[in-house]
Amino acid sequence: NAGVTQTPKFQVLKTGQSMTLQCAQDMNHNSMYWYRQDPGMGLRLIYYSASEGTTDKGEVPNGYNVSRLNKREFSLRLESAAPSQTSVYFCASSIQGIGPQHFGDGTRLSIL
Amino acid sequence: AQTVTQSQPEMSVQEAETVTLSCTYDTSESDYYLFWYKQPPSRQMILVIRQEAYKQQNATENRFSVNFQKAAKSFSLKISDSQLGDAAMYFCAYRSASGIYGGSQGNLIFGKGTKLSVKP
Repeated sequence: NAGVTQTPKFQVLKTGQSMTLQCAQDMNHNSMYWYRQDPGMGLRLIYYSASEGTTDKGEVPNGYNVSRLNKREFSLRLESAAPSQTSVYFCASSIQGIGPQHFGDGTRLSIL
Repeated sequence: AQTVTQSQPEMSVQEAETVTLSCTYDTSESDYYLFWYKQPPSRQMILVIRQEAYKQQNATENRFSVNFQKAAKSFSLKISDSQLGDAAMYFCAYRSASGIYGGSQGNLIFGKGTKLSVKP
């Protein structure tokens, strides 16, 4: 049982390049989330999708877009990467409104 | 807006001893959930324990237990018989339980974390 799968695990980009981070869950969860983790800052919510077909901004959405492709998949796109977006990105999912969030293993993204 | 504060950036404990990690939160809601997540060097986020605010009884999971003080808005994690594998970052998190989806659609609000070292 894979749980939440994120790809890629590592990526290096140049400033201005675009990139899509992929996330898929096999737990039949309704809600999915994207977080970024920076040193000393804990995890901060970028975007979330309460259910298939809906997305909403979180605490730090600027510079990102998301797509809830279907119930299983929730992607995060950086249209024009900036050094400030260097971070570790986590995808998570949960049963809507109840239950804890299950996290993927994260993507370490460096932007030069 | 809800906030979560972990006032101890780093803690250290001797193997087999007990350590308590502190967490306080601020909310005007009466119904919510609290969590402790562990993040070892492998970077995984692992759920350690959860507490429903409406339950007075403190949650326990093997060597991990919490001291939930709702009036004081305090949610500390106690690790008993510490093991080398307990060394990790520990994050306290809050989630609203209001509404169908949760007041914030089930979103977690994290503290900044406490780095726990375990000495052999």
